[in-house]
Amino acid sequence: GDSVTQMEGPVTLSEEAFLTINCTYTATGYPSLFWYVQYPGEGLQLLLKATKADDKGSNKGFEATYRKETTSFHLEKGSVQVSDSAVYFCALRAGTAGGTSYGKLTFGQGTILTVHP
Amino acid sequence: EAQVTQNPRYLITVTGKKLTVTCSQNMNHEYMSWYRQDPGLGLRQIYYSMNVEVTDKGDVPEGYKVSRKEKRNFPLILESPSPNQTSLYFCASSLMIQETQYFGPGTRLLVL
Repeated sequence: GDSVTQMEGPVTLSEEAFLTINCTYTATGYPSLFWYVQYPGEGLQLLLKATKADDKGSNKGFEATYRKETTSFHLEKGSVQVSDSAVYFCALRAGTAGGTSYGKLTFGQGTILTVHP
Repeated sequence: EAQVTQNPRYLITVTGKKLTVTCSQNMNHEYMSWYRQDPGLGLRQIYYSMNVEVTDKGDVPEGYKVSRKEKRNFPLILESPSPNQTSLYFCASSLMIQETQYFGPGTRLLVL
């Protein structure tokens, strides 16, 4: 079945450091890929997404590129802030319409990011 | 304000005592889903609903029931909760099955 693997956390950085959170996936067909962020005590919010190979999703200074050849969707930010401290989830949605798993989000285990001043 | 709401946000109960967690969305979304979040496992889908009166099992449906009598509401029912259902639960909805899902704030459940 489909699966998503994220780099182990937690990740601790100083403010203005460069961030990379690795995400790789296994899926049949052509899934859509997502990064969700969960701030303390809140629900998940969509951070960015990409729906086809070579697409780059971006939002709030975060970027991720859909790499089909390496089945990856790594999250990057050039300069993190304390306010970026949160849990980040990589997820995929099956790409085959009509299948029983279509529409279901498959999540990675989440990566806790802590940014210190 | 467009949103997904869940109630209660926090719940402590005892084994075997039936409970219901409500989920409501005001965006006229067709697709709704329940997930549970456990450390090291990410979120796993419990049940989903494509539209009114249409529901189906996700990856971890055992011990849960759902209903979709109205488009806006999708309650999660635990008929006889057990300690292994202690978790953080999220409801989500989207306009159509292939659209972006919006999540509720979560319900933290502790079963003693």
